[in-house]
Formats: sequence, structure tokens, C-alpha cells
Amino acid sequence: GENVEQHPSTLSVQEGDSAVIKCTYSDSASNYFPWYKQELGKGPQLIIDIRSNVGEKKDQRIAVTLNKTAKHFSLHITETQPEDSAVYFCAAGRGTSYGKLTFGQGTILTVHP
Amino acid sequence: GAVVSQHPSWVICKSGTSVKIECRSLDFQATTMFWYRQFPKQSLMLMATSNEGSKATYEQGVEKDKFLINHASLTLSTLTVTSAHPEDSSFYICSARGGLTDTQYFGPGTRLTVL
Repeated sequence: GENVEQHPSTLSVQEGDSAVIKCTYSDSASNYFPWYKQELGKGPQLIIDIRSNVGEKKDQRIAVTLNKTAKHFSLHITETQPEDSAVYFCAAGRGTSYGKLTFGQGTILTVHP
Repeated sequence: GAVVSQHPSWVICKSGTSVKIECRSLDFQATTMFWYRQFPKQSLMLMATSNEGSKATYEQGVEKDKFLINHASLTLSTLTVTSAHPEDSSFYICSARGGLTDTQYFGPGTRLTVL
């Protein structure tokens, strides 16, 4: 089955700096890669996703890049703010009718004011 | 984005009792719903996948007789934890996807504490 590795497990940055979280996946058939933000005691919130037919996607301060050959994808957050502090999860899935996702281990991002 | 609700948000029960958790998609029809379990400071562990009108598919190691899942309509799925024990205490989260898209939208989660 699919295996997703996520690094780093914790990331601490100063407000205004950039943050990068990286994930690798094992199943070459995976073609959908979402990123979720989870705040304490809440459910994950989709922040951005990318499909295997594109290499990069950007939404304001957030961007995701995908390297299919190397089977890795990354989340980039620029101009970080304290409210960006949360746990971030990457995931990988196939474009099947069931849409099952495999999640990474999560990254605790702390943005210091 | 699409909205998924869960009820209750938290529940405390005695060992041996059963607890039902509801998951609703509020503004779209969810052909597939997923149930996850999350332990503190850990990732999401998929328990089962449910499709409207059919039996749920459970992940390896998840007891289907203990975690009963019903997906009775395109907007509602329920998870019943039967004969709950303290080790079942966890954060249970559902997600829903509509149509043929891969996008999953998560509910806010339910904190279950079994005494």
C-alpha cells in the first residue's frame, strides 16, 4: 500500500519568514496530493491540493510543488504569521472512485511573533 | 469550501455502553464518507470507508463488529462504538467527498472519553 513520509516533525520560524514542509510517497499511481491544517481540538482543514498533471500551484501565501519523478511534494508558506501555527498534514491518494487518502505523520509549525 | 458537521463534539460514557457519532455533509451530497481515529500528537488513521447504500469497507485491524458504520443517505453517516472500553477513548473524525472529485472535507471531530 501507499506510504507517506513527512519532514520535519516540528518547525519553528520567526514571523515573516518562510516555512517549507516536505513529503515523499511510495505509490507511483498516486495522483492527488492535498495539504491539511489542523488546529488543536479541531478537524483538519484543506488548505491547498495538487494533482499530478501540474507541477506547482499557488494560493496567496501558500504554494505546493510536486515532483512526480522523485515522488515528493512540498508545502511552502511565505510571510508566516502567528495564526499559521498549527499541525500540517500532507496526504496522497489515487484518483479512484473511493478517494482513499494516506496521511503523513504531521508537522507542528510554530510561528513566533 | 464544503461544510461537514459532526455530533456530538464530545461525549463521556461508561465502559460497556455504546456511543453513536453522526457525520453530516451540509451543503453537498457525499457519495463517500470516511471515518478516522486520531490519538494525541499522532496522524489520522483511517478506520473505514463508507459508500451510500452499501456496506462499509474496514481497514485491516479495525473490528467491524465493534465500530458499526451506517451510511443511510447521501448526507449522513454514523459510527457506533459498541461496548466501549477506555482504550476506545480517542478523537474520531469523519470526512466526506462528493461525486467523482478526490477532495475530502473533514468534520470538526468528536472527542470520546470512556470511563
